Amino acid sequence: ELKVEQNPLFLSMQEGKNYTIYCNYSTTSDRLYWYRQDPGKSLESLFVLLSNGAVKQEGRLMASLDTKARLSTLHITAAVHDLSATYFCAVLRREYGNKLVFGAGTILRVKS
Amino acid sequence: GAGVSQSPSNKVTEKGKDVELRCDPISGHTALYWYRQSLGQGLEFLIYFQGNSAPDKSGLPSDRFSAERTGGSVSTLTIQRTQQEDSAVYLCASSLRPGGKNIQYFGAGTRLSVL
Repeated sequence: ELKVEQNPLFLSMQEGKNYTIYCNYSTTSDRLYWYRQDPGKSLESLFVLLSNGAVKQEGRLMASLDTKARLSTLHITAAVHDLSATYFCAVLRREYGNKLVFGAGTILRVKS
Repeated sequence: GAGVSQSPSNKVTEKGKDVELRCDPISGHTALYWYRQSLGQGLEFLIYFQGNSAPDKSGLPSDRFSAERTGGSVSTLTIQRTQQEDSAVYLCASSLRPGGKNIQYFGAGTRLSVL
């Protein structure tokens, strides 16, 4: 069974600080995704990581994938309040019917 | 429309009643997915459609849950004899094709409350 674990589950940080969210998964994966969810809203796609060593950056967020370690990271640089949201990683396996298996989510609160 | 559209946005029902939730995927997207988000269980996969057929129904929690898709477009998720544990946000997503680098785009969800 494919399992996805995120940590931390809750992160409170000051503006301007850096931090990393970790996403571990239990079996080899075809693809890894990061989504953002604002309170009461739906999920917004942030990154799709397709291969070992993939790195993608958008603004203050950078995601990376190490398929050998079965680990993805979402690094936050110089956090700002607007980044406050819940961040989910999700893994896709064709053998599992192309469904996404999600981590529990990391609630990020950036304090001004 | 520009995005995945779901209706209703909120649904309050009494225990034992049937409910229908609707999803309009992004035009041209062949794959459609239903997920459920609840406090206790997080985000769970329910069912996946490729065209009008459902190759994977493994996530449907019981035989009270069913879904169909017609014309390769609109999908309806039906919950019969609703129970309080069915209360959750039901999210629909679509992608151009299944799997791979095809991003799943999510709708705003239907918040179901079973009293």
